[in-house]
Amino acid sequence: SQQGEEDPQALSIQEGENATMNCSYKTSINNLQWYRQNSGRGLVHLILIRSNEREKHSGRLRVTLDTSKKSSSLLITASRAADTASYFCAPRAMIGKSTFGDGTTLTVKP
Amino acid sequence: DTGVSQDPRHKITKRGQNVTFRCDPISEHNRLYWYRQTLGQGPEFLTYFQNEAQLEKSRLLSDRFSAERPKGSFSTLEIQRTEQGDSAMYLCASSLIRLGGRLNEQFFGPGTRLTVL
Repeated sequence: SQQGEEDPQALSIQEGENATMNCSYKTSINNLQWYRQNSGRGLVHLILIRSNEREKHSGRLRVTLDTSKKSSSLLITASRAADTASYFCAPRAMIGKSTFGDGTTLTVKP
Repeated sequence: DTGVSQDPRHKITKRGQNVTFRCDPISEHNRLYWYRQTLGQGPEFLTYFQNEAQLEKSRLLSDRFSAERPKGSFSTLEIQRTEQGDSAMYLCASSLIRLGGRLNEQFFGPGTRLTVL
């Protein structure tokens, strides 16, 4: 299965610092997505990166993908208290279903 | 608001009752997915449709679960004879796959939280 495994499980930083979360998966993918989830809420789509892309940016977010190592990372720069949430990576093969790990819980202290 | 809507948002039921959830995907999306999420864990895939065809079902989807997407638009997920272990958040997602296999973003709805007493 392509199940994404996020690392670390929990991350606590001060406002203004950068946060880096990593994701590893097992088999070939078509694309990989990152999501944010606030407690008890739905998943918010952050970025999709395709298997032929190596890096993608969106605002304060930077995602990298290394298909040779089957890994991805999500960098949040200049973090804010509002970034406090769980973050999930979702590798996807062609059928398109996402296979999630248990996420990284990010706490940004004001 | 992602454009994917789910109804109801919350459902409390007694063990043994049947429940049905509805998902309305983004209108042009031809793929629709159901997931289940329990506290502290990531979503688990249940099943997915391309248009009206149900193409894959997880082994998590026991015989008590059935999903339909009769006209290739909205979908329903029914759980018969609910058990306490069915208590979870049920998430629906949709995406568009284009000719040639370009698979676009998967957007999630807000979920239906089921509590089985």
